[in-house]
Amino acid sequence: AQSVTQLDSHVSVSEGTPVLLRCNYSSSYSPSLFWYVQHPNKGLQLLLKYTSAATLVKGINGFEAEFKKSETSFHLTKPSAHMSDAAEYFCVVIRMDSSYKLIFGSGTRLLVRP
Amino acid sequence: EPEVTQTPSHQVTQMGQEVILRCVPISNHLYFYWYRQILGQKVEFLVSFYNNEISEKSEIFDDQFSVERPDGSNFTLKIRSTKLEDSAMYFCASSTADSFFGYTFGSGTRLTVV
Repeated sequence: AQSVTQLDSHVSVSEGTPVLLRCNYSSSYSPSLFWYVQHPNKGLQLLLKYTSAATLVKGINGFEAEFKKSETSFHLTKPSAHMSDAAEYFCVVIRMDSSYKLIFGSGTRLLVRP
Repeated sequence: EPEVTQTPSHQVTQMGQEVILRCVPISNHLYFYWYRQILGQKVEFLVSFYNNEISEKSEIFDDQFSVERPDGSNFTLKIRSTKLEDSAMYFCASSTADSFFGYTFGSGTRLTVV
């Protein structure tokens, strides 16, 4: 069965410093992984996806994530945080059967200090 | 860019009342989903719908819940007799046959049962 674990419930960074949001996955086969972002009172927006092509995936707003099979990780990074990055971030794996169900991590709330 | 549209954005209802949450998926998408997020908790899968029938439902999706695609464009979630614990943000999503692209989520309906 597939699952994802987000290692931090809250991450706080200063504006202009790097962001690291950690995610480990569990899957019996090569997974498809996603990061979604949810700004306050907004819907879920796809940041980026990994689908077994390049292991370093670039997304929107300067975010990227690296798929590391040996570490079963898919951490989200950004070189320089912006105040507008403050949001909840979800690491997600898709179950590749007839339903294509998404399985969400518990989320990481990113706080950006001025 | 195509969007998934959900209405209403907020709904307050009395316990025991029926509610219908509406969604207009992206027109060429084939898979449709409902997820919900109780305040402070994970995003949870409710149901997936393909080819005019439910392809999978979670244990949450009991007999009080039903989904319909009445006219080829709308996709609705009905809760027959709402309970306090149904209060949550409900997200509709749709995807192409190739879900590697990830889903497109709507902005959600916040349901409050009083």
